Amino acid sequence: GENVEQHPSTLSVQEGDSAVIKCTYSDSASNYFPWYKQELGKRPQLIIDIRSNVGEKKDQRIAVTLNKTAKHFSLHITETQPEDSAVYFCAASGSYQLTFGKGTKLSVIP
Amino acid sequence: NAGVTQTPKFQVLKTGQSMTLQCAQDMNHNSMYWYRQDPGMGLRLIYYSASEGTTDKGEVPNGYNVSRLNKREFSLRLESAAPSQTSVYFCASSQDGRNTIYFGEGSWLTVV
Repeated sequence: GENVEQHPSTLSVQEGDSAVIKCTYSDSASNYFPWYKQELGKRPQLIIDIRSNVGEKKDQRIAVTLNKTAKHFSLHITETQPEDSAVYFCAASGSYQLTFGKGTKLSVIP
Repeated sequence: NAGVTQTPKFQVLKTGQSMTLQCAQDMNHNSMYWYRQDPGMGLRLIYYSASEGTTDKGEVPNGYNVSRLNKREFSLRLESAAPSQTSVYFCASSQDGRNTIYFGEGSWLTVV
């Protein structure tokens, strides 16, 4: 089955700096790669996703890049703000369900 | 349009007791899932139902059973609760396995 590795597990940045979270996956047939944000005590919510026919996608301060050859994808957050502090999960589509990475706890220091 | 609704939100059980977590979605999704989330362990799939009438084991199925009652509803049952099942449980749904998953608000379960 699919295996997703996510790094780093924790990340601290100064407000206004950029943050990058990286994920690798194992199943070359995977073609859908979403990113979820989970605030403390809340449910995970989709913030951006990308499909394998696209190399990069942006939505305001967040962007995702995908390298299918190397089987890795990354989340980029620019101009970080305190409200970006949360746990972020990457995921990759396997045969019948998404497989999630173990998460990255992002702390934005004011 | 409520999305994914799960109940109860909080529950305390004694070891050996049984209970059922209920989940319903109103998005006409084909696929439904149950995840558990423990600190530092991310989201681990317990069971999923790719379509009405089918269920399959995920990564951590031991100690659980599921029922896909109809297209809308997918329940998770703990037959004999153990302290190791103390966790936050999320129900989720998607159009299929290769599309966005939408999560319920979570159920906090403590087994003492």
